[in-house]
Amino acid sequence: AQSVTQLDSQVPVFEEAPVELRCNYSSSVSVYLFWYVQYPNQGLQLLLKYLSGSTLVKGINGFEAEFNKSQTSFHLRKPSVHISDTAEYFCAVRENYGQNFVFGPGTRLSVLP
Amino acid sequence: EAGVAQSPRYKIIEKRQSVAFWCNPISGHATLYWYQQILGQGPKLLIQFQNNGVVDDSQLPKDRFSAERLKGVDSTLKIQPAKLEDSAVYLCASSFRLTSGRETQYFGPGTRLLVL
Repeated sequence: AQSVTQLDSQVPVFEEAPVELRCNYSSSVSVYLFWYVQYPNQGLQLLLKYLSGSTLVKGINGFEAEFNKSQTSFHLRKPSVHISDTAEYFCAVRENYGQNFVFGPGTRLSVLP
Repeated sequence: EAGVAQSPRYKIIEKRQSVAFWCNPISGHATLYWYQQILGQGPKLLIQFQNNGVVDDSQLPKDRFSAERLKGVDSTLKIQPAKLEDSAVYLCASSFRLTSGRETQYFGPGTRLLVL
């Protein structure tokens, strides 16, 4: 069964600084990878997803992520964060032809002025 | 396009009481999911429907939780009786169809349950 690790539970960063949120997964088969964002008291919103093809995936709000199969990682990056990016970020994995999404524990990004 | 609707948004009950949550997925979405999100954790799948049939309920505590999607559209999740550890946000999500795992899930705003 697949699993997801997000090593950083909290990431504080100053406004306009770059940020990287780390995600590692384990699976015995090929996978699809997703990043979701959750603003306070709201549901999850898809930021981006990797299904196949280019390993660099661009999403909404200026975020991008890179799939690294050898390191089983899918780290999320943004070159310059805004206060409005303050939220909880979840990495999720779904096995190819699998049915279940498995979410990581989340990383709380706090953007400081 | 209307998103996934959930009600109520908040619910406070005492332990051993019953509670029900309602979800209306995006129109035309065949697959519906219920997740439990405990504070500080990622969502955990409780049950997955394809139309009105159950695809996966392996993580649903069936002694107290039940869910139905009788007409293949909206769905109800019930807890009876509730325990303190059921305090969580219950998220509903839907996707167009269940294929090879490529489908994007769209989430509702969630129902925040507090059991006292």
